[in-house]
Amino acid sequence: ELKVEQNPLFLSMQEGKNYTIYCNYSTTSDRLYWYRQDPGKSLESLFVLLSNGAVKQEGRLMASLDTKARLSTLHITAAVHDLSATYFCAVDLPNAGNMLTFGGGTRLMVKP
Amino acid sequence: DAGVIQSPRHEVTEMGQEVTLRCKPISGHDYLFWYRQTMMRGLELLIYFNNNVPIDDSGMPEDRFSAKMPNASFSTLKIQPSEPRDSAVYFCASSWGPDTQYFGPGTRLTVL
Repeated sequence: ELKVEQNPLFLSMQEGKNYTIYCNYSTTSDRLYWYRQDPGKSLESLFVLLSNGAVKQEGRLMASLDTKARLSTLHITAAVHDLSATYFCAVDLPNAGNMLTFGGGTRLMVKP
Repeated sequence: DAGVIQSPRHEVTEMGQEVTLRCKPISGHDYLFWYRQTMMRGLELLIYFNNNVPIDDSGMPEDRFSAKMPNASFSTLKIQPSEPRDSAVYFCASSWGPDTQYFGPGTRLTVL
């Protein structure tokens, strides 16, 4: 059974600070996704990481993947209030179509 | 494209009633997924279809839940009879192949 764990579960930070969210998964996977969810809203795709060492950046967010360690990170640079949301990582099961297992989410609050 | 469309957006019903949730995937997508989100259990995959065929329904909690996809542009998730513990947000998502899943706005179901 594929398990996906995120930490921290909750993160409160000041604007302008840097921080990293971690996503660990238990078995080999073909790809890893990061999603964002605002309160009461749907999930919005942020990144898809396909190979070991993959790094993607969009604005103040940068995601990376280490398949050997089964670890992905989402790094936040100089946080701003608009980044406040819940962030999910999701991993697909190999040879299982496109089934995703989601982590529990990290709720990020950026204080002005 | 309008994105994934779900209806209704909110549903309040009484225990024992039948509930039908509807989803229209993004045109051209060949995968369709139904998820349930609760505070206690997070995001759970219930069932997914490929080319209108159900591939994996191992996440469907009980026989009270059923899903159909009669054509490429429409799917339903039915709960009969509904119970208070079915209260959750139900998301539909679609993708083109084993790629990024795009989520609909969700249906917030409350069973009294």
